[in-house]
Amino acid sequence: QKEVEQNSGPLSVPEGAIASLNCTYSDRVSQSFFWYRQYSGKSPELIMSIYSNGDKEDGRFTAQLNKASQYVSLLIRDSQPSDSATYLCAVKVYGNKLVFGAGTILRVKS
Amino acid sequence: KAGVTQTPRYLIKTRGQQVTLSCSPISGHRSVSWYQQTPGQGLQFLFEYFSETQRNKGNFPGRFSGRQFSNSRSEMNVSTLELGDSALYLCASSLAIDNTQETQYFGPGTRLLVL
Repeated sequence: QKEVEQNSGPLSVPEGAIASLNCTYSDRVSQSFFWYRQYSGKSPELIMSIYSNGDKEDGRFTAQLNKASQYVSLLIRDSQPSDSATYLCAVKVYGNKLVFGAGTILRVKS
Repeated sequence: KAGVTQTPRYLIKTRGQQVTLSCSPISGHRSVSWYQQTPGQGLQFLFEYFSETQRNKGNFPGRFSGRQFSNSRSEMNVSTLELGDSALYLCASSLAIDNTQETQYFGPGTRLLVL
């Protein structure tokens, strides 16, 4: 079992819809969770971080964390074509080591 | 504030050679981590430096090494290059190493091609 798992996609949504990206992790002691966006040929860019159970909203983005289920998700409201990218879920296990999922490709169709 | 910078941005080497990549963290950041990204393995942690000391190391062979200088700049070295070392090498910096909520910010990466 991989430490951090994501559906590889591609996830296709129409412009203006809600995109839902999911991630599960195996290490119960994980404390910090991050969502990065990566455009083709570019480096990862931080979108959201979440540390406590529940929801955290930032603009069109909402991160959700459920530590009991070892599940973290990212919702993107009013999806735009510019949101088309690979979304990486990352879990901080200890120190500053981030363990990444394989990423979910999101395609927003106009 | 300037972001993380990495040099060179692109590099072509042949098998058996060695390569040194450089990373300058965001001003004031003292922790530098290195990651390798390949299509097959995704993003994988190489190692992390804080205050010139390696604090964590990923599951990579000893051909991969690194160091950090007193100004927090870091270098990583790959010796005896193999074709499989072709990848995007990413550096990430953060303020502190012990804060589990600390965010890492990535540089643009160095794309290495081994022929």
